[in-house]
Amino acid sequence: ETGVTQSPTHLIKTRGQQVTLRCSSQSGHNTVSWYQQALGQGPQFIFQYYREEENGRGNFPPRFSGLQFPNYSSELNVNALELDDSALYLCAGAVANTGELFFGEGSRLTVL
Amino acid sequence: LAKTTQPISMDSYEGQEVNITCSHNNIATNDYITWYQQFPSQGPRFIIQGYKTKVTNEVASLFIPADRKSSTLSLPRVSLSDTAVYYCLVGGSNAGKSTFGDGTTLTVKP
Repeated sequence: ETGVTQSPTHLIKTRGQQVTLRCSSQSGHNTVSWYQQALGQGPQFIFQYYREEENGRGNFPPRFSGLQFPNYSSELNVNALELDDSALYLCAGAVANTGELFFGEGSRLTVL
Repeated sequence: LAKTTQPISMDSYEGQEVNITCSHNNIATNDYITWYQQFPSQGPRFIIQGYKTKVTNEVASLFIPADRKSSTLSLPRVSLSDTAVYYCLVGGSNAGKSTFGDGTTLTVKP
């Protein structure tokens, strides 16, 4: 039990649509990181938020955006969905500058 | 971030000790080494973290030689439930910016 919950667990969208994924972390997790995991691959870093500001981004285009809220929740928004966006999206909470990430169970996105 | 190299897969039998080695030749002075375990359709779970020498907790040990260019995760007496993908991460104290490699798929057989 990591104390991090994500919703929805599964969803299906069509190409060109927009999607919002949500994450709720436990009290004290002042950073949240989002990852994309394609089938058979390791998680790829999308971005991290700290104190409600983006604090680092991986190799993902601007149509991937996020928000972090004061109540330890966050959102990942993806616009103009492409077929290759089909993946498991993971969020991870952590205390800033510590080495342990607490992952949620992920949201499985399928783009048709 | 330092690139890591791990074996793609390993097989073992119940009750055996399993050692998974990760190579990270470009590790930086302030980098830590962290291992995660992931079951299908679940998020990764923290196993252990170290900087140098040996670290042990209730589930695993982590061995890091003096040059820190590699590390070995040791799982004592594995069981069927240890079948999972194991990832080695190398990075600074802000682990939340790390990108995982493709990991090592460990299969434990009866």
